[in-house]
Amino acid sequence: QKEVEQDPGPLSVPEGAIVSLNCTYSNSAFQYFMWYRQYSRKGPELLMYTYSSGNKEDGRFTAQVDKSSKYISLFIRDSQPSDSATYLCAMSSPYSGGYRKVTFGTGTKLQVIP
Amino acid sequence: DAMVIQNPRYQVTQFGKPVTLSCSQTLNHNVMYWYQQKSSQAPKLLFHYYDKDFNNEADTPDNFQSRRPNTSFCFLDIRSPGLGDAAMYLCATSEDSSYEQYFGPGTRLTVT
Repeated sequence: QKEVEQDPGPLSVPEGAIVSLNCTYSNSAFQYFMWYRQYSRKGPELLMYTYSSGNKEDGRFTAQVDKSSKYISLFIRDSQPSDSATYLCAMSSPYSGGYRKVTFGTGTKLQVIP
Repeated sequence: DAMVIQNPRYQVTQFGKPVTLSCSQTLNHNVMYWYQQKSSQAPKLLFHYYDKDFNNEADTPDNFQSRRPNTSFCFLDIRSPGLGDAAMYLCATSEDSSYEQYFGPGTRLTVT
């Protein structure tokens, strides 16, 4: 079983739709829960992070973590064509040996159609 | 702007011909990482440096080596590329205690 599972999609939605992206994980030691966005032929960039269970909102984006179910979600409201990208969930292990190891999901490719 | 730069963006090499990919950063972060990302797969950590200390992942093939001559630069050497090594190679940096990693744009490697 992979430590992090993510549906690869692709996911195609009309502009203005609400998008829900999800990941499950198996390692209870994960501390930080992140979403990275990766545009085509670019490196991933951090979109949002959370540390505890609950919701965190940033503009049109909401990150949700449920540690009891080992489940995280990213919601995008009023989706725009510029949101078309691959979204990778990522989870950080505790600090050890000078760094925090990050485990990524496979990414969900999202296309928002005008 | 502070950033992570990777060169070249695209690299074509022949089967078995050594190749070197480079990464530089202006963020002054002490941790640098190399990831391999194949199509529709998660980035896979190959190794990382904490300052000059090199840390290899257990499943990284011996064919992959790395050098970090100073804080700003890091190199990935593939000694004898095979067809299975064709992938996007991502360099990333972080401050030592941070969860956040800053990625470069990647180098897409093709092996012919």
